[in-house]
Amino acid sequence: DAKTTQPTSMDCAEGRAANLPCNHSTISGNEYVYWYRQIHSQGPQYIIHGLKNNETNEMASLIITEDRKSSTLILPHATLRDTAVYYCIVRAHNNNDMRFGAGTRLTVKP
Amino acid sequence: DAGVIQSPRHEVTEMGQEVTLRCKPISGHNSLFWYRQTMMRGLELLIYFNNNVPIDDSGMPEDRFSAKMPNASFSTLKIQPSEPRDSAVYFCASGTPTQNTGELFFGEGSRLTVL
Repeated sequence: DAKTTQPTSMDCAEGRAANLPCNHSTISGNEYVYWYRQIHSQGPQYIIHGLKNNETNEMASLIITEDRKSSTLILPHATLRDTAVYYCIVRAHNNNDMRFGAGTRLTVKP
Repeated sequence: DAGVIQSPRHEVTEMGQEVTLRCKPISGHNSLFWYRQTMMRGLELLIYFNNNVPIDDSGMPEDRFSAKMPNASFSTLKIQPSEPRDSAVYFCASGTPTQNTGELFFGEGSRLTVL
């Protein structure tokens, strides 16, 4: 069940902002947008989540459109260590079900 | 906290053998998840537990797979008999999804190779 759509891959220059888009046009009112990333051979790692307001933490910023049908994860100054697969997931806060799609493979280049 | 601990990290076995993967969740987390990751199918949710009770096992591929959580600090995923197509990395994750950030914490995975 593809609740989200993400580009298969993206490149970004080291030191530049990486903007990763996600479409979730069927998102329900009680569903949050979560972002995780998976660095090669490691388990996925939580990045950030939001409901309708933009969010920022020490790792990234999350911009959610007003209609909530899409969002963008922003890594402000990408480093080589940010090379990973980035997953966008929608999930209701009272629902334990956390399912991952194919994600976007981000490659940060020197 | 040591994080989610999985064992073994690597296992190589022969077709038909029983495989048991183990997971120790982070203390205080009330939910535990088992995922399987392959190149072809990506990261698939197999089963998850809430307060040690299996809630959704619809992702378990077939009857050869079984999972248990006898207490809050331990879970197993068993494959009997194993087949070559079961070769994958199996991740365990724990969290309190309905509280705080709702984030899941993943273990380092168990890489299974069935010959």
